[in-house]
Amino acid sequence: DAKTTQPTSMDCAEGRAANLPCNHSTISGNEYVYWYRQIHSQGPQYIIHGLKNNETNEMASLIITEDRKSSTLILPHATLRDTAVYYCIVRGPNFGNEKLTFGTGTRLTIIP
Amino acid sequence: KAGVTQTPRYLIKTRGQQVTLSCSPISGHRSVSWYQQTPGQGLQFLFEYFSETQRNKGNFPGRFSGRQFSNSRSEMNVSTLELGDSALYLCASNLQGENTGELFFGEGSRLTVL
Repeated sequence: DAKTTQPTSMDCAEGRAANLPCNHSTISGNEYVYWYRQIHSQGPQYIIHGLKNNETNEMASLIITEDRKSSTLILPHATLRDTAVYYCIVRGPNFGNEKLTFGTGTRLTIIP
Repeated sequence: KAGVTQTPRYLIKTRGQQVTLSCSPISGHRSVSWYQQTPGQGLQFLFEYFSETQRNKGNFPGRFSGRQFSNSRSEMNVSTLELGDSALYLCASNLQGENTGELFFGEGSRLTVL
């Protein structure tokens, strides 16, 4: 499974869009990009996933580059409650739950 | 729709004791996976259950065990607790055992072993 690279930390002003990048240059054609986040001492929360098209849901938007080697998670209007560690992972269709690992992620701090 | 529910949220035990943690998956989800999360080791897979059968097991000693009931609720047990078992234990469920990647996690049970 492809490895991902994310910045260690980022800050974003409250009310602004938070753009979190992720590199996955070795992604295979059938692997999806998933984003989760984990607020301190809580369980991880699924945010969004995509294959090659841009995706949007009530929480965020996911922009995947045409070559699929990188993606960006966008939180359109960040609030203080969005302060969390954000994890980008790549999973194939037959990826077992036993292989799930989160890495170090990006620690996003929303500044009032 | 209720999310994944884990109980208890916090507990403190002493070395040598045993502990049972409970997980109720999202209604309709038949697959339940358990993970241990620590600052040093990150997220580590314990086991996965589907339709009351253990489908996969991580690299943990036999002191760690689990089971799933006919209503998909799951429990995990840790016997003869050690200090190193202190961690956040996470339960996650997904739909019909398919590896869609959309795992839904509970809030976790934070275990402290003294």
